[in-house]
Order: sequence, then structure tokens, then C-alpha cells
Amino acid sequence: NAGVMQNPRHLVRRRGQEARLRCSPMKGHSHVYWYRQLPEEGLKFMVYLQKENIIDESGMPKERFSAEFPKEGPSILRIQQVVRGDSAAYFCASSSLEMNQPQHFGDGTRLSIL
Amino acid sequence: QKEVEQNSGPLSVPEGAIASLNCTYSDRGSQSFFWYRQYSGKSPELIMSIYSNGDKEDGRFTAQLNKASQYVSLLIRDSQPSDSATYLCAVNAGNNRKLIWGLGTSLAVNP
Repeated sequence: NAGVMQNPRHLVRRRGQEARLRCSPMKGHSHVYWYRQLPEEGLKFMVYLQKENIIDESGMPKERFSAEFPKEGPSILRIQQVVRGDSAAYFCASSSLEMNQPQHFGDGTRLSIL
Repeated sequence: QKEVEQNSGPLSVPEGAIASLNCTYSDRGSQSFFWYRQYSGKSPELIMSIYSNGDKEDGRFTAQLNKASQYVSLLIRDSQPSDSATYLCAVNAGNNRKLIWGLGTSLAVNP
């Protein structure tokens, strides 16, 4: 499967724990984007990364949230000390190096905070 | 503030009819335009991309772009109940890979 791979599909955490969401981009893609979506709401951009670089993190909360895309391995979205309001679907998308190419989405991670 | 606007709907059409979905954007420098479909509980799926003025057809879908008027539309011919979903319009933010997203239009195709 050469598509965008996200894991886990579902993640349950208790308040105060850490959540780590992983995303492997489509083969040949070098750019990764993370989005959050609450039920019945639109996609909210969080962060855009290239290998070893954060290009735009304007949509990511300043505290508790961080993202990385290391030289080797998947991109990671990390949420520390989770709160109930972090419960959402988190989608990762990837695109190729060429400009103006579409983003392709993974199946998402549904995060539930108890 | 760069924006993409869509009617939230719901847009309801009978099976077999043409569904017309519209989107306007604020950034005149935008160069690429995309329509995605999202079923409830699923991830967005790319339907069409369009880059130049005019129409682009792919099967039952036609995307229309008018840069002078800053709108892009999606027509779905011979609508099927399986087309019932939320349709998201996305526009690139100028010379940038980041996309600006509309909130989506909910489409219901009634048998």
C-alpha cells in the first residue's frame, strides 16, 4: 500500500497522559501536513513539515503540542498532558516536492480522552 | 486573512439530477484549486484538481474555475445516493504548498 499510513487508528488516553500519533507519507512525498477535525466541524490546519524542518506551525497550539519529521522514520505529532478538549480526529496528509500538487490524506487517528 | 467560503448546506438533490457546489476565495494569487469529498467518519478524498480558467471534466464530475471572479465550482452529473457526503474546497495560499480550506458543503442525494 503506497498511500499515507497513519497509526494508531484509534487511541485512548487518560487526562494528563501523552499521545503520539504517527504518519508515514505516500511514497515519493516529502511534505507532511497535520490537521485536526472536531465532529461536525471543518478541517483545522495545525502544522506543515518537510524532512527535518517545520515549515509552518501557525495552527498548532503553543503549549503541549509538538511535531517532527525526522530524516528517518515517520512524522510524529505529540500531545503532552492531554485534556478532554484534545479529543478529535487527527489527519495527516502528504504531497510531493513539486508545487501546486494536491495533498493526499491518511485514514486518520481518532483520539479519545477519558 | 485569506479565506475560502462555501455554503454549508445541506444541498438536497434528487437522484439523477445535477448537483452544483460553489466556492469563493479571497487570495488573487492562488494558483491551484482542489475539491475533496469526505464521508462521515472518513478522511478527505481528492476528487478534482484545477489550475487554469475554464472547465475540467472527469467522469460525472466537472470542475469550473473563474479566476477573475475568484470562484471555483463542482458539478456532479447524474447524482447518486453514494455521492451524499461533505464536499470540501481547498485553495493554495499563493506561492505556498499550504492549503486554505472551506468548511464544506453537505450534499444529500435522495433516491
